[in-house]
Amino acid sequence: AQSVSQHNHHVILSEAASLELGCNYSYGGTVNLFWYVQYPGQHLQLLLKYFSGDPLVKGIKGFEAEFIKSKFSFNLRKPSVQWSDTAEYFCAVTQTGANNLFFGTGTRLTVIP
Amino acid sequence: DAGVIQSPRHEVTEMGQEVTLRCKPISGHNSLFWYRQTMMRGLELLIYFNNNVPIDDSGMPEDRFSAKMPNASFSTLKIQPSEPRDSAVYFCASSLGAFSAAFFGQGTRLTVV
Repeated sequence: AQSVSQHNHHVILSEAASLELGCNYSYGGTVNLFWYVQYPGQHLQLLLKYFSGDPLVKGIKGFEAEFIKSKFSFNLRKPSVQWSDTAEYFCAVTQTGANNLFFGTGTRLTVIP
Repeated sequence: DAGVIQSPRHEVTEMGQEVTLRCKPISGHNSLFWYRQTMMRGLELLIYFNNNVPIDDSGMPEDRFSAKMPNASFSTLKIQPSEPRDSAVYFCASSLGAFSAAFFGQGTRLTVV
């Protein structure tokens, strides 16, 4: 079955630690990839997206993600997290020709001051 | 544009009552999505519309759920009768189709007691 997998359910880090959140998908063909962030009590916001071109994508707030087609992965990274990065992070995928967003189950990030 | 607008922000209702959630997508967007978010199941797609037409409603949990999009600027999600297990945050999102990111509303927190 087609799916988006986020293997880390809850990640706890200290401030200034480096972050990498995993995202794998199982769709064939051309895909568009997204990371969304949901801060406590707020709605989902787009963090970054990949459509084509450079597989290393820069997003807002110092986040980046790398599309590795051979691994069907789109991991999110940040070199040094801050307390304000505490949130839930969702990976999402669309397929070319489709008109839908498939979400992973989300990863909760807690950053300890 | 004010973004995707959902109403109400919070709804508390008794089991068996009808609940109607409303969504106004971003002007010009031709795709609209309804999602449900729970702790147990994460973010689930319920239904999406393209050009006001329901494309995929396979995520609608059961017949108690129905969604309409009478025009390009308005959609409703109705639950009748509501049950406690329907308690969740319901998000509406809109986009310009598969090749654009979705923009989410603030969500409606539904509590069925």
